[in-house]
Amino acid sequence: GENVEQHPSTLSVQEGDSAVIKCTYSDSASNYFPWYKQELGKRPQLIIDIRSNVGEKKDQRIAVTLNKTAKHFSLHITETQPEDSAVYFCAAAFTGGGNKLTFGTGTQLKVEL
Amino acid sequence: DGGITQSPKYLFRKEGQNVTLSCEQNLNHDAMYWYRQDPGQGLRLIYYSQIVNDFQKGDIAEGYSVSREKKESFPLTVTSAQKNPTAFYLCASSMGLAGGEARYNEQFFGPGTRLTVL
Repeated sequence: GENVEQHPSTLSVQEGDSAVIKCTYSDSASNYFPWYKQELGKRPQLIIDIRSNVGEKKDQRIAVTLNKTAKHFSLHITETQPEDSAVYFCAAAFTGGGNKLTFGTGTQLKVEL
Repeated sequence: DGGITQSPKYLFRKEGQNVTLSCEQNLNHDAMYWYRQDPGQGLRLIYYSQIVNDFQKGDIAEGYSVSREKKESFPLTVTSAQKNPTAFYLCASSMGLAGGEARYNEQFFGPGTRLTVL
């Protein structure tokens, strides 16, 4: 089955700096890659996703890049703010395989003032 | 997020007891999922259901059971066979194929149930 590795497990940045979280996946058939944000004590929420026919997608201060050849994808957050502090999860799925998401182990992002 | 609920928020169980976690959604979603979240391990899929009266095992189904008798409901039973049941349990739903490609995969999560075995 699919295996998703996520790095780093913790990340501390200064407010205004950029943050990058990286994930690799094992199943070349995977074609959907969402990122979820989970604030302390709350449910995960989708912040951005990308499909395998696209190399990059942006939404304001967040962007995701995908390298299908290398089987890795990354989340980029620019101009970080304290409210960006949370745990971020990447995931991968093959949309022809029942919409099963395989999640990475999460990155605890802390934005320091 | 609104539209998918889980109850109770906190649940305590004695060893050897079965317990059932509730998950309800009013989003008219076809697909529903149960995940277990442990510190440092991300979310792991327990069971999922693409349509009423059908469900499949996920990656860690042992010691758990589910039913999908109604579109809106997907209860999870944690049985006494689950050796380490203390965890945070998250239910999710998605539109499935009915939503078309743009919405097919987005999963919406409930607020979770924290189960503690005493």
